[in-house]
Amino acid sequence: QKEVEQNSGPLSVPEGAIASLNCTYSDRGSQSFFWYRQYSGKSPELIMFIYSNGDKEDGRFTAQLNKASQYVSLLIRDSQPSDSATYLCAVKSEKLTFGTGTRLTIIP
Amino acid sequence: NAGVTQTPKFQVLKTGQSMTLQCAQDMNHNSMYWYRQDPGMGLRLIYYSASEGTTDKGEVPNGYNVSRLNKREFSLRLESAAPSQTSVYFCASTEAGGPSTTNEKLFFGSGTQLSVL
Repeated sequence: QKEVEQNSGPLSVPEGAIASLNCTYSDRGSQSFFWYRQYSGKSPELIMFIYSNGDKEDGRFTAQLNKASQYVSLLIRDSQPSDSATYLCAVKSEKLTFGTGTRLTIIP
Repeated sequence: NAGVTQTPKFQVLKTGQSMTLQCAQDMNHNSMYWYRQDPGMGLRLIYYSASEGTTDKGEVPNGYNVSRLNKREFSLRLESAAPSQTSVYFCASTEAGGPSTTNEKLFFGSGTQLSVL
């Protein structure tokens, strides 16, 4: 079982809709959770982080954490073509572990 | 406001050649990292330096060496390149990282595309 799992996609979402990206992790001692966005041919960029159970909102982005179920998700509201990218989930326990990413395509 | 600067951006090596990837950050961060990214494998940690003067192995250290030259600079050396080292390499930094920290928000350099023939 991978330590951090993401559906590789591609996930196709119409422009203006909500994109939902999911990530599960295996280490129950994990404390910090991060979402990075990576455009094709570019480096990862941190867009959200969450430490506590529940929701955290920042503009069109909402991170959701459920430690009991060991999953973290990222919601993107009012999806734009510029949101088309690969989204990497990263989970920190003793070490920081990245998932392989979900490729998101926003369809105009 | 450069952030994390990596050089070179592209490199082609022949098997057995050596090279050093350079990384510098101007954010006064304590911790620096080297990752490689391969299709379907995600980002894998090669080495990291939690603070100036210390280095530790990550998930895939074999075939690599690192030097934390000072607080700003962290280099990655391939002594004898192999085709399995063909990858995209990213340097990253954060204010404070390592096993005891939780706030490990990474800032990445632009990457080096390395091909070993």
